[in-house]
Amino acid sequence: DAKTTQPNSMESNEEEPVHLPCNHSTISGTDYIHWYRQLPSQGPEYVIHGLTSNVNNRMASLAIAEDRKSSTLILHRATLRDAAVYYCILKVYGGSQGNLIFGKGTKLSVKP
Amino acid sequence: DAGITQSPRHKVTETGTPVTLRCHQTENHRYMYWYRQDPGHGLRLIHYSYGVKDTDKGEVSDGYSVSRSKTEDFLLTLESATSSQTSVYFCAIRPTGQGAREQYFGPGTRLTVT
Repeated sequence: DAKTTQPNSMESNEEEPVHLPCNHSTISGTDYIHWYRQLPSQGPEYVIHGLTSNVNNRMASLAIAEDRKSSTLILHRATLRDAAVYYCILKVYGGSQGNLIFGKGTKLSVKP
Repeated sequence: DAGITQSPRHKVTETGTPVTLRCHQTENHRYMYWYRQDPGHGLRLIHYSYGVKDTDKGEVSDGYSVSRSKTEDFLLTLESATSSQTSVYFCAIRPTGQGAREQYFGPGTRLTVT
């Protein structure tokens, strides 16, 4: 699985949008881009995933660069509950293992 | 809520004792995983299962064994616990339906080996 690069930490103000970047310059054509987050003292939680097109769900939006070498997770209005570590993960499907390879992620702090 | 529970949620044990952690799911998913999480590291895969009695090793499997005799239960055993196995352990499941891409994680078990 290809590697991703994320900033170690970011800060945001409550009720403002947050853009969390992820670089994945060695991404292959079959890699899906996944985002998970981990709130304090909890297990990771699936946020969103995409392949080529931008994606929206109730939690967030995923903007994928045209060359797919970077992506941005967008939280439209940050709340205090969004303070977590956010992981950007690339995953190829079709193999038998299917596990996720976690990096260190971006720790998001949200200020009231 | 993907119906995943882990037990126990917290455990303190002594070096050299055997420990078994249980992951239980209610939705009959085929794939189940055990990860550990330590400070300064992301989650790392210990073992995984792709069906009843079908298991395989992950990145950090030394010192651990697993068993899956029923679809709903995946057990992780530390045959002789060591202090280096002090960690938070997470179980995960992966649906295999069409379009399924995500994994769902349990709440974790915090294990301390003294």
